[in-house]
Amino acid sequence: DVKVTQSSRYLVKRTGEKVFLECVQDMDHENMFWYRQDPGLGLRLIYFSYDVKMKEKGDIPEGYSVSREKKERFSLILESASTNQTSMYLCGAADRLYSNQPQHFGDGTRLSIL
Amino acid sequence: AQTVTQSQPEMSVQEAETVTLSCTYDTSESDYYLFWYKQPPSRQMILVIRQEAYKQQNATENRFSVNFQKAAKSFSLKISDSQLGDAAMYFCAYRRRLGSNYQLIWGAGTKLIIKP
Repeated sequence: DVKVTQSSRYLVKRTGEKVFLECVQDMDHENMFWYRQDPGLGLRLIYFSYDVKMKEKGDIPEGYSVSREKKERFSLILESASTNQTSMYLCGAADRLYSNQPQHFGDGTRLSIL
Repeated sequence: AQTVTQSQPEMSVQEAETVTLSCTYDTSESDYYLFWYKQPPSRQMILVIRQEAYKQQNATENRFSVNFQKAAKSFSLKISDSQLGDAAMYFCAYRRRLGSNYQLIWGAGTKLIIKP
């Protein structure tokens, strides 16, 4: 089974801090994703990456950036954290476009910005 | 634009009974995938069942089955013989092409409560 590991389950940071959320997958999948999950809104895509050093904006990229220096690792960066970025963050990994395999997810990071 | 709508924020069912969670979507594509994911409290999101749009037969995985109505753009999930472990948030997702890749579009989720 694919394993997606997020570095922290819970994280508390202060407004204005630079925050790094790390995600690692162990199945050599090309695609990796960062979502935020808020009640009543489902999952919203922040950024995704389809290859090393490649990234694409999702639906809500403002205030975030990403880094994919190695295939197995996809980092989400909050450049200057704000209270409206308090949320659950989910990392996902998936195979190529034409595969019918689903996305696999990490356990999530519940981030609180004070 | 593709959208996914789950009209039931919360559903409850008696243990051992059957429950159906609804999902509708909007798309102009003819070939796509649909998924139901389950997210138990404080646990990882996992795939429950998938449906390929070009297949007319409804997907089934043990107690979970779908009613896929392509013309109506409806993709409901039926859970038979509900168990306490089925309590979770359930998300419907549509997979669309995005250039040479793809993206999942998610519904808002339905919270399923199982009454013992």
